[in-house]
Amino acid sequence: GAGVSQSPSNKVTEKGKDVELRCDPISGHTALYWYRQSLGQGLEFLIYFQGNSAPDKSGLPSDRFSAERTGGSVSTLTIQRTQQEDSAVYLCASSLATGSPYEQYFGPGTRLTVT
Amino acid sequence: KQEVTQIPAALSVPEGENLVLNCSFTDSAIYNLQWFRQDPGKGLTSLLLIQSSQREQTSGRLNASLDKSSGRSTLYIAASQPGDSATYLCAVRSTGNQFYFGTGTSLTVIP
Repeated sequence: GAGVSQSPSNKVTEKGKDVELRCDPISGHTALYWYRQSLGQGLEFLIYFQGNSAPDKSGLPSDRFSAERTGGSVSTLTIQRTQQEDSAVYLCASSLATGSPYEQYFGPGTRLTVT
Repeated sequence: KQEVTQIPAALSVPEGENLVLNCSFTDSAIYNLQWFRQDPGKGLTSLLLIQSSQREQTSGRLNASLDKSSGRSTLYIAASQPGDSATYLCAVRSTGNQFYFGTGTSLTVIP
């Protein structure tokens, strides 16, 4: 079946602009995760959703970052007033549920460049 | 906070060699550990998932072990092939449903 998809694949934006990144999880997956991968860094957890709820938002780097999920499916990550340090690859993953046995399946990522 | 370390950061081996990648974590209270590979410009592909109650998992030429008490996992790749060249990441699922990733080992298999 279809995997996790993300759009756009690449985004170049000017400093100060807002951007919206989209993630379509695997159908039926209730858990959805956002990560950021900066150059030379490991993956940094941002936020996860169980259904439409985000129990833990502590990973969001600042109040410029927000995320929502509607209908238990598509999620959007919004970055307001982008800064150059926001440049990174943003990865989304989904899993069947949040329980221990469940593997995460990753999308191809969105490469964000802030100029 | 859980910290995950992977050693070595980079590894280059001739085709056919067996190799071991290492992953260590600071908090042994984990639910599971997952190994991924990442190809340049691509997302992550899951290789193996080991539950906290398990000692190892095998898939084809790959074998992953877990020693929770010592905070270590290894990924063993047998008879390496050029197609195995990628970055290998380990991720630990701790309490709170967060996954903590290492910075990866970049593997190059030379034909």
